[in-house]
Amino acid sequence: EAQVTQNPRYLITVTGKKLTVTCSQNMNHEYMSWYRQDPGLGLRQIYYSMNVEVTDKGDVPEGYKVSRKEKRNFPLILESPSPNQTSLYFCASSLSPGGYNSPLHFGNGTRLTVT
Amino acid sequence: AQKITQTQPGMFVQEKEAVTLDCTYDTSDQSYGLFWYKQPSSGEMIFLIYQGSYDEQNATEGRYSLNFQKARKSANLVISASQLGDSAMYFCAMREGDTGRRALTFGSGTRLQVQP
Repeated sequence: EAQVTQNPRYLITVTGKKLTVTCSQNMNHEYMSWYRQDPGLGLRQIYYSMNVEVTDKGDVPEGYKVSRKEKRNFPLILESPSPNQTSLYFCASSLSPGGYNSPLHFGNGTRLTVT
Repeated sequence: AQKITQTQPGMFVQEKEAVTLDCTYDTSDQSYGLFWYKQPSSGEMIFLIYQGSYDEQNATEGRYSLNFQKARKSANLVISASQLGDSAMYFCAMREGDTGRRALTFGSGTRLQVQP
């Protein structure tokens, strides 16, 4: 089944404890991206990647890191999480990096709570 | 200015009736894509339908159709024969062709409740 898989689905952690949210897609998609969703602020892009080893900042990159060593994987790293990073996170991918007509397919989301 | 505007925070519809969810957009790009997503209470984001800026026909996918009026910059989602399982948040989104990030810009969403 074609899908974007995120793990974990739920995560509760404490301030300052490094964490990684994994994302993997099995559709051979070039483009991958991370979003966060917050009440009143909607969905905002954190980072994106056009292809392997090519990553760039989105709207809200502060406090996050990403890497794209393989085409299928795009982990999101929080080196020192803070409570304002409590959010619902989505990984997404699309076939074409340059394609405005290519839908983004989302993972099931990771609900992160930082205390 | 908002790039995607959804003016209906909440909508009610009776089961088996049709419902239209409004979306207007703002862009100066010639090439862009418009998308609708469904987010049930379980939280996942499900792609429903796509319309390209150069498409002359309105997109349809099963019970979903997109009423695309380019001159008015509107891309309304029509759900026919509503089902209880259609109760969810619905987001209109746009992907612009002339910017590098290829980010999806989302509207604020419409919460649809289907009543039996």
